[in-house]
Amino acid sequence: DVVMIQSPLSLPVTLGQPASISCRSSQSLVHGDANTYLAWFQQRPGQSPRRLLYQVSTRDSGVPDRFSGSGSATDFTLKISRVEAGDVGVYFCMQATHWPFTFGQGTKVEI
Amino acid sequence: EVQLVESGGGLVQPGGSLRLSCVVSGFTFSDYWMSWVRQAPGKGLEWIAYIKQDGSAKYVVDSVRGRYTFSRDNAKNSLYLEMNSLSVDDTAMYYCTPSHGTFWGQGTLVTVSS
Repeated sequence: DVVMIQSPLSLPVTLGQPASISCRSSQSLVHGDANTYLAWFQQRPGQSPRRLLYQVSTRDSGVPDRFSGSGSATDFTLKISRVEAGDVGVYFCMQATHWPFTFGQGTKVEI
Repeated sequence: EVQLVESGGGLVQPGGSLRLSCVVSGFTFSDYWMSWVRQAPGKGLEWIAYIKQDGSAKYVVDSVRGRYTFSRDNAKNSLYLEMNSLSVDDTAMYYCTPSHGTFWGQGTLVTVSS
């Protein structure tokens, strides 16, 4: 199985300041169709996950442009340009290139 | 408005069975691969199954293969999960989601305990 490693696992942030989460995979996430199926999810306390980004950098509908994704092959990053109070929660990266799809351990973002 | 409503969870003894359902609205169910994802209390996420639009192909994670049966009824916009031989390790919130996690419901909680 593809192992997804996130860092840091805990991220204290300051409102209005940027934040960044790293995600590394044990294998390249470039699919045979040339797409890279790496997504980022946000899970606020007590809520279901919500997808923020897919295929590395494409934002889902309604996701603020404060959230951006970058990276390639095995090394990916989620950036929040200016943290807001509502961004508190756990962030997961997920790969859907290889079965079984796998998630990172999660990064807890707290103010 | 997109809605996914999971149901059927509850408390079950080890070795028991449960049937979960997921009814969707607001998007064309038959156009999407559908998945089940679970999350043990206070833990991370585990993608357990990925089912093709017509149900003809299913990818199932090793930890549940042979114990869980996955199906869908496109006429009813519904996804099903039949769970057998449950153990305490199956205790989790179970979510259904289309494609690679596009939308999520509130989930249904399965608790396996004696």
